[in-house]
Amino acid sequence: DAEITQSPRHKITETGRQVTLACHQTWNHNNMFWYRQDLGHGLRLIHYSYGVQDTNKGEVSDGYSVSRSNTEDLPLTLESAASSQTSVYFCASSEYPGNNEQFFGPGTRLTVL
Amino acid sequence: GQQVMQIPQYQHVQEGEDFTTYCNSSTTLSNIQWYKQRPGGHPVFLIQLVKSGEVKKQKRLTFQFGEAKKNSSLHITATQTTDVGTYFCAVFLAPSGTYKYIFGTGTRLKVLA
Repeated sequence: DAEITQSPRHKITETGRQVTLACHQTWNHNNMFWYRQDLGHGLRLIHYSYGVQDTNKGEVSDGYSVSRSNTEDLPLTLESAASSQTSVYFCASSEYPGNNEQFFGPGTRLTVL
Repeated sequence: GQQVMQIPQYQHVQEGEDFTTYCNSSTTLSNIQWYKQRPGGHPVFLIQLVKSGEVKKQKRLTFQFGEAKKNSSLHITATQTTDVGTYFCAVFLAPSGTYKYIFGTGTRLKVLA
């Protein structure tokens, strides 16, 4: 069965370190998304991609970057982790860019000390 | 900017009681999606509404899209403990050629047995 996976599931890091969160999907979807979820804010879009070599900034992109070298993967990098980036991060994919169901990964809980 | 307000933020009900959550937008929407997230889990797509005044049912869940396409509701009849979780609405916008997914802040439902 097709799926979307994230790794690691839990990560503790220190302020200033670079961190990369992995997202891998086997749906063969062109569209992939990264969200962060914080209490009281729901899900906020960080970056998204509509295909290989395509990346776009979302609502809360500062301090984050993504790259899309193949269809299956969209890694999220925190260039210099800050305590404000402590959150739960979800990756999602969809078949079409809009008007379409998003499939979410299990999430990565990141703590920045 | 575009706002998607969701109310209430929390709802505690006795098992067997009904539950409704509302999603309101400041602008006309092309579509709206609803997701459910169980505690500790990831968002799971429930449904998408596209047409003005549309009503869709999934067993005990009834979804409605307002006539003006600015609001939507999710109603659960006779709640069960399996309904526990947070319900999110989500909208897809494409102003001026950019794309945005915006999630509401969610309604957390607790069902007391």
